[in-house]
Amino acid sequence: GQQVMQIPQYQHVQEGEDFTTYCNSSTTLSNIQWYKQRPGGHPVFLIQLVKSGEVKKQKRLTFQFGEAKKNSSLHITATQTTDVGTYFCAGYSNYQLIWGAGTKLIIKP
Amino acid sequence: EAGVAQSPRYKIIEKRQSVAFWCNPISGHATLYWYQQILGQGPKLLIQFQNNGVVDDSQLPKDRFSAERLKGVDSTLKIQPAKLEDSAVYLCASSRRGGGANEKLFFGSGTQLSVL
Repeated sequence: GQQVMQIPQYQHVQEGEDFTTYCNSSTTLSNIQWYKQRPGGHPVFLIQLVKSGEVKKQKRLTFQFGEAKKNSSLHITATQTTDVGTYFCAGYSNYQLIWGAGTKLIIKP
Repeated sequence: EAGVAQSPRYKIIEKRQSVAFWCNPISGHATLYWYQQILGQGPKLLIQFQNNGVVDDSQLPKDRFSAERLKGVDSTLKIQPAKLEDSAVYLCASSRRGGGANEKLFFGSGTQLSVL
């Protein structure tokens, strides 16, 4: 079946370091959405990418959609404690929204 | 605008018991989703309604799970009988239109179910 693979599962960073999570789809996607889930919380929509090669920025967050519309990435520059949580990608293909397993961002004490 | 409302927030039951969850989507949102999220995993779609019709229930274990959305507004999800592997967070979400591409989902706070 259709899958969206997301890596890594966890990423431990020192505060101030960068963080990146990657998503790869087995099929071409119509669009890709990114959500953030804080510990104990629910997923909250961050952004949607639609066009091939699209890059969008939200302050320290940079989102990219691959040229083939099969992969995407989220990069956070200079992480802060408020960035802690799990970041999910969700790609739309064949009338279905397919979720990645998420990458958990952990700030080292 | 008010968000997606869900209740209860937590539920603990024994296996083979039944349980029901309730969801009230954002006012005016046509599409309602029920997701199951097992700890450490991404949300898994159980059922999607557009207004009061079912769009997708392909991953709903129909021998034990049922859902309805009467009058196209609020919805209930029921599990009967529950199994240990049903322990998860059950998330309700809604979206404004028909649930197609370019629709962003708004999630409720979820119901954390523990089956003992």
